[in-house]
Amino acid sequence: QQQVKQSPQSLIVQKGGISIINCAYENTAFDYFPWYQQFPGKGPALLIAIRPDVSEKKEGRFTISFNKSAKQFSLHIMDSQPGDSATYFCAASALTGGGNKLTFGTGTQLKVEL
Amino acid sequence: GAGVSQSPSNKVTEKGKDVELRCDPISGHTALYWYRQSLGQGLEFLIYFQGNSAPDKSGLPSDRFSAERTGGSVSTLTIQRTQQEDSAVYLCASSLRPSSYNEQFFGPGTRLTVL
Repeated sequence: QQQVKQSPQSLIVQKGGISIINCAYENTAFDYFPWYQQFPGKGPALLIAIRPDVSEKKEGRFTISFNKSAKQFSLHIMDSQPGDSATYFCAASALTGGGNKLTFGTGTQLKVEL
Repeated sequence: GAGVSQSPSNKVTEKGKDVELRCDPISGHTALYWYRQSLGQGLEFLIYFQGNSAPDKSGLPSDRFSAERTGGSVSTLTIQRTQQEDSAVYLCASSLRPSSYNEQFFGPGTRLTVL
């Protein structure tokens, strides 16, 4: 059972454009929602994370929007750059009794073209 | 400082052989996680260790998979009688402790190919 659904599978954006990746979850016990960025041959690295007590979090060009009632969250990359080309994973975990085990989406391959 | 390291970076084995994958977490991190990344399927949780507590093995796909963590530091993931479906990248992550919203730092992974 896939508990975190991610879309799109791949995305091509022009330099300077906005990249949007969407995720939906099923488990209402999830209380931590990080986004990870992965470059080829490297392990994932935390990009930005949000807790469900806020609806939006912004760090530089990266913003997470969170809709608790819809059980959805999304990553927006403003002014996308070629260096942002990577695979992005959304994830979710439940700290209470969950040990922060991450459940990941299937990933989005982002390509930012000049 | 040093990040999470994993060895070997690549492992090619024959079906039916046993393999051992090693993870060195960041010093001082009490929580250690193993994940598996299969093509097109994202990352899948396998097992996690927290200090001296019994590990959470709920993600291990079969009894051919086992892991241990010695001295609260280095961890070894063992796959016995490997099958072709075990081919994947095995990632290790560590965090300061799991009881808070602490970042999990991932290693570069071990790419396992079972022929």
